[in-house]
This record gives sequence, C-alpha cells and structure tokens, in this order.
Amino acid sequence: DSGVTQTPKHLITATGQRVTLRCSPRSGDLSVYWYQQSLDQGLQFLIQYYNGEERAKGNILERFSAQQFPDLHSELNLSSLELGDSALYFCARRLAGVRQPQHFGDGTRLSIL
Amino acid sequence: TQLLEQSPQFLSIQEGENLTVYCNSSSVFSSLQWYRQEPGEGPVLLVTVVTGGEVKKLKRLTFQFGDARKDSSLHITAAQPGDTGLYLCAGGSTNAGKSTFGDGTTLTVKP
Repeated sequence: DSGVTQTPKHLITATGQRVTLRCSPRSGDLSVYWYQQSLDQGLQFLIQYYNGEERAKGNILERFSAQQFPDLHSELNLSSLELGDSALYFCARRLAGVRQPQHFGDGTRLSIL
Repeated sequence: TQLLEQSPQFLSIQEGENLTVYCNSSSVFSSLQWYRQEPGEGPVLLVTVVTGGEVKKLKRLTFQFGDARKDSSLHITAAQPGDTGLYLCAGGSTNAGKSTFGDGTTLTVKP
C-alpha cells in the first residue's frame, strides 16, 4: 500500500474536453507530485506541491494546471485535450526529508478519442 | 539539468539467468531509488541507497550505489518470470524536492 489514492482509474473523453484527476495522499503528507507516462516512455515530471504551494515545475503544458487543497489532496486539471495527452497520470507522495523516496499511486489512465 | 541514463533499454532473458541493469549520470545525487513497475500500475519502490559504495540486497536483487554517487546498478540472480517489468531508477537532489527519473529498463523473463 503506497498510501496514495488516485481517482478515477480510467477516463475516456474526446479532444477539446477538460478533465480533473484527483490524488489523495496519506494524512499528513505535505508533498504531492504529478507525473505523466506515455506509452512505452518513462515518467515525465509535471509539477510538485508542498503544503498548498507550488514547489517545483517540470514539463507541464500551459493547458494543464494543478492545485493542492487545505486537506492536502490535489487535483490535476487538463484542458483542451489533444490525442497526444493520452497517457497514465501518476501522483506520488514523499515523506519529509531530502533522502526520502516517492511512493506512487496506481495512476489514472486517460484515453482521448 | 540532471539526467539519468538507464541501460539496456530492453532486456529479454530465460528463467534462471543472471542480469545487470545500469543507471548512470554525470550528476551527483543525495540518494537513489530503484522502482519496479508492472503494466497499468504505479511504480513500486524496491530500495533506496544513500551512501557512496553502498550495497543492498533484497532476496535475489543486489543494488549498488557508485562511490561518487553518480551511478547505480541492479543485479538479479536466477531471474524468474515474476521479475518481468519496467525497472526505473530515480535520483534525489538536496537542492530540489523532486527526483530525476531514468527512462527505465524493460525486463522480460521467459519461462
């Protein structure tokens, strides 16, 4: 059990639409990370939040945005969806401490038709 | 920009064989993690190494962190079909909260 719950597990939508992916880390986890993994590719870091504030940004498109709420759950918003946005989207948590590893949820599989 | 290169990209072996996969960088990392990912699931943490030269064993898996903390290797002895998956290494930096991930090694162990 990674302690990270992601919903929904699967999402099918059409080009041009907007979706919201949700991540609920274990209670007390201040950090949350979002990653995108396209078919047969590695993990691409999108964005990190710490205690409600954006901490680091990766290769996140302007059509994508995220936020972390006071209860520390996070949402990743994807808009004006394109076929190339089809991917697995992972959320990860990390305990305090620079040498602590990240623990991943099972992801949301997004399919754009 | 910190980069991690993993090799080989793909590896297909028979059950019972030994193998080593590598994770290399020109950057120094404060820690390095190895994950295994199965299709449709999230990466699962296998090990964290933090000290240069450190060796950790997890049953048939042996992980080593390079002396200079720039590279790492994962050795599997007597591979089994259950070892099949994508192996990812990730380097942590003291200057940033995020980790740098390699592109992974896809391992297939045939019965």
